[in-house]
Amino acid sequence: GAVVSQHPSRVICKSGTSVKIECRSLDFQATTMFWYRQFPKKSLMLMATSNEGSKATYEQGVEKDKFLINHASLTLSTLTVTSAHPEDSSFYICSASLISSSYEQYFGPGTRLTVT
Amino acid sequence: EDKVVQSPLSLVVHEGDTVTLNCSYEVTNFRSLLWYKQEKKAPTFLFMLTSSGIEKKSGRLSSILDKKELFSILNITATQTGDSAIYLCAGVWGSNYKLTFGKGTLLTVNP
Repeated sequence: GAVVSQHPSRVICKSGTSVKIECRSLDFQATTMFWYRQFPKKSLMLMATSNEGSKATYEQGVEKDKFLINHASLTLSTLTVTSAHPEDSSFYICSASLISSSYEQYFGPGTRLTVT
Repeated sequence: EDKVVQSPLSLVVHEGDTVTLNCSYEVTNFRSLLWYKQEKKAPTFLFMLTSSGIEKKSGRLSSILDKKELFSILNITATQTGDSAIYLCAGVWGSNYKLTFGKGTLLTVNP
């Protein structure tokens, strides 16, 4: 149980294009999903908190117009990197909380984004 | 500012050794502390600790929280090469259950 999937697992795009990453909770409902970014050999950095049916809450320093987050249902959240630049290249990971036990977060497998 | 500090940052042991990984935290509105294991992809959940002094065990792994001294330890006994990974601890805080991660401990278990 508590499986989270992400799609795609790896994407390469050109500068200036937009990329959408999907995060799905497969066997549970998640009122809250989180988006993280991880640089090589660094820990996870929280980018934003996404609650179903409301606007995402972004961490300080994260551009909300660049990283668009939509949480349309209790099982799906999407992160769109708009007008991507090479410095956006990173490992993006989502996590989801079980409604009944919000402290535990289950992570998706991550998406490796490379912007050329 | 909330922070989570892990030590050591890296550790190399031989199979069969026992290791203790440390995590100290300064988190306002603390709710719980979580341990994760990260291999090549995203972290996998190990333990959630909410109460002080109660040990959680899963096979050769165990963990305990001290809310008075604000730290937690993760023990791995009879280590195996498959235990090689980055071990992350994270403090859960606030009403939105945000995680603040430490930098992790890179554990390498040599045969």
